[in-house]
Amino acid sequence: DAGVIQSPRHEVTEMGQEVTLRCKPISGHDYLFWYRQTMMRGLELLIYFNNNVPIDDSGMPEDRFSAKMPNASFSTLKIQPSEPRDSAVYFCASNFMKTTGELFFGEGSRLTVL
Amino acid sequence: QQQVKQSPQSLIVQKGGISIINCAYENTAFDYFPWYQQFPGKGPALLIAIRPDVSEKKEGRFTISFNKSAKQFSLHIMDSQPGDSATYFCAAPDRGSTLGRLYFGRGTQLTVWP
Repeated sequence: DAGVIQSPRHEVTEMGQEVTLRCKPISGHDYLFWYRQTMMRGLELLIYFNNNVPIDDSGMPEDRFSAKMPNASFSTLKIQPSEPRDSAVYFCASNFMKTTGELFFGEGSRLTVL
Repeated sequence: QQQVKQSPQSLIVQKGGISIINCAYENTAFDYFPWYQQFPGKGPALLIAIRPDVSEKKEGRFTISFNKSAKQFSLHIMDSQPGDSATYFCAAPDRGSTLGRLYFGRGTQLTVWP
């Protein structure tokens, strides 16, 4: 299995630009999570989906952030417009509910907003 | 929202020594407490996990000790090696949530000197 695949691995953009991060979960997994990691706040859960349906988006910082999961093999996290304080590493993770609960993380997308 | 308090923030240990990282959590109705290991440039990966029906779980050089009454659990790394240098996160599930939704501690950056 290829694991959770995220793209891009690195993104540098200017303030005000739209950013789209992509995630392909492990095949067969029915939960997908988006986390953000910063030095100041650690790992924060932004949103998670079950069977492509958003379950809880209370961690999404503000309306500039949106996430979609149009099918079981693809999810996006969009920031529009981006701001320097959005600079962080964004992780996607997936798991299968009926297992022990182990989360499988991608390698992350490092976002820098200038 | 689950709060998980992790300490210390950083830890320096000599090769062959014992590394100890502690976590405390608040009330929970769930029964799964994992530790994740993260190397630079990678996503976190499950290292070891425990359920509160046992007080200790050992896998190789890694041991989790669990104290349900105190709501604390700790990770012990015996015979620490330079390859163990990484960031370690404890986690606990949100009360009443599904399997897989985890809140993470702030992390402990472990450095093992050769």
